[in-house]
Amino acid sequence: AQSVTQLGSHVSVSEGALVLLRCNYSSSVPPYLFWYVQYPNQGLQLLLKYTSAATLVKGINGFEAEFKKSETSFHLTKPSAHMSDAAEYFCAVSAGGFKTIFGAGTRLFVKA
Amino acid sequence: SAVISQKPSRDICQRGTSLTIQCQVDSQVTMMFWYRQQPGQSLTLIATANQGSEATYESGFVIDKFPISRPNLTFSTLTVSNMSPEDSSIYLCSVELRGLANTGELFFGEGSRLTVL
Repeated sequence: AQSVTQLGSHVSVSEGALVLLRCNYSSSVPPYLFWYVQYPNQGLQLLLKYTSAATLVKGINGFEAEFKKSETSFHLTKPSAHMSDAAEYFCAVSAGGFKTIFGAGTRLFVKA
Repeated sequence: SAVISQKPSRDICQRGTSLTIQCQVDSQVTMMFWYRQQPGQSLTLIATANQGSEATYESGFVIDKFPISRPNLTFSTLTVSNMSPEDSSIYLCSVELRGLANTGELFFGEGSRLTVL
């Protein structure tokens, strides 16, 4: 069985500040992990993915995430927030041929 | 990657009517998925649609309410039948590209936003 927990339904940061969105997962087999972003009135777009290669994964728009097996975490970070980063972010897990499970989502607000 | 087009992008419907959402993919794919995203919530998988077989529905979703067609490898439809206000949601079509690196990455259409009055 798999599950995903995103800590914080809303995160607010100032422009230029560090972005940290938290994700913890549970999986009975080695997982694939994803972060997707959803801009207003759009579908989801893949930001980055972990597929058992390097534990530090770099994605689009300056985002990166680190897979930490000991902590069962896959937190998303960006050193400096931009106004255009304001969106909904979803962490997701897929493993062993099972369907993809999405977290509840975290809405990121960026203040000028 | 895959480019997915959904129609309609949004609609306002009357209670008791049905609406069919179309999903067109720019490449042939085996697995297509239909998700529902209720206001302010995450994605819930409705069903998996494979070409040439009946769709597989998730718990809580039934074929009579959400009939799905998958006539070929690039197209699918989802019908929301006998709609009620509780069906007001965004409906998303998604595909998974399978190849040597089967990592489960999903590609999404832009969604169909339905409001039921």
